[in-house]
Amino acid sequence: AQSVTQPDIHITVSEGASLELRCNYSYGATPYLFWYVQSPGQGLQLLLKYFSGDTLVQGIKGFEAEFKRSQSSFNLRKPSVHWSDAAEYFCAVGDLRSYIPTFGRGTSLIVHP
Amino acid sequence: ETGVTQTPRHLVMGMTNKKSLKCEQHLGHNAMYWYKQSAKKPLELMFVYNFKEQTENNSVPSRFSPECPNSSHLFLHLHTLQPEDSALYLCASSQDRAGSFGEQYFGPGTRLTVT
Repeated sequence: AQSVTQPDIHITVSEGASLELRCNYSYGATPYLFWYVQSPGQGLQLLLKYFSGDTLVQGIKGFEAEFKRSQSSFNLRKPSVHWSDAAEYFCAVGDLRSYIPTFGRGTSLIVHP
Repeated sequence: ETGVTQTPRHLVMGMTNKKSLKCEQHLGHNAMYWYKQSAKKPLELMFVYNFKEQTENNSVPSRFSPECPNSSHLFLHLHTLQPEDSALYLCASSQDRAGSFGEQYFGPGTRLTVT
């Protein structure tokens, strides 16, 4: 069965600093990978997705993620964080057989002014 | 309305009450999902409907009863809940199970408090 690990429960960065959120997955075939963001009191919003092709994926709100098969990772990055980026971030892997994604436990991003 | 909407946004109910959560998607999708999100716990998939047919029930207690009258609407009927059922209940939709590969669109959720 597939699984997703987000090693960091909380990440604190200063506004304007760069950000990298880690995600490691376990899946037997080519994975379908996603990053979602959840602002307080809201549902999850899709930030970006990787299905195939270019391993560097651009998403909304200035985010990008890089798929590294050798490391089973799909880390999310942003060059300069804004205070409005404070939220919960979820990595997910899709399953080709059941098509139901498996979500990580999430990483809470705290942004200091 | 656009995307996925959920009503009510907040609900407080006693353990003996009966209430329903409503979800509506305006995306033309064919698959709909209920998730439970509790503090400090992973997202829990509860039910999946594909073309109005229930395809997944993740061992959810019978006090939660889903209903999907058409591909655009999904309900979660609640009765004799327990305090540990207090959580954020999220509805999601996807194009359909075969085409989504896990890409889902979520509503804002219903914050449920059981007293």
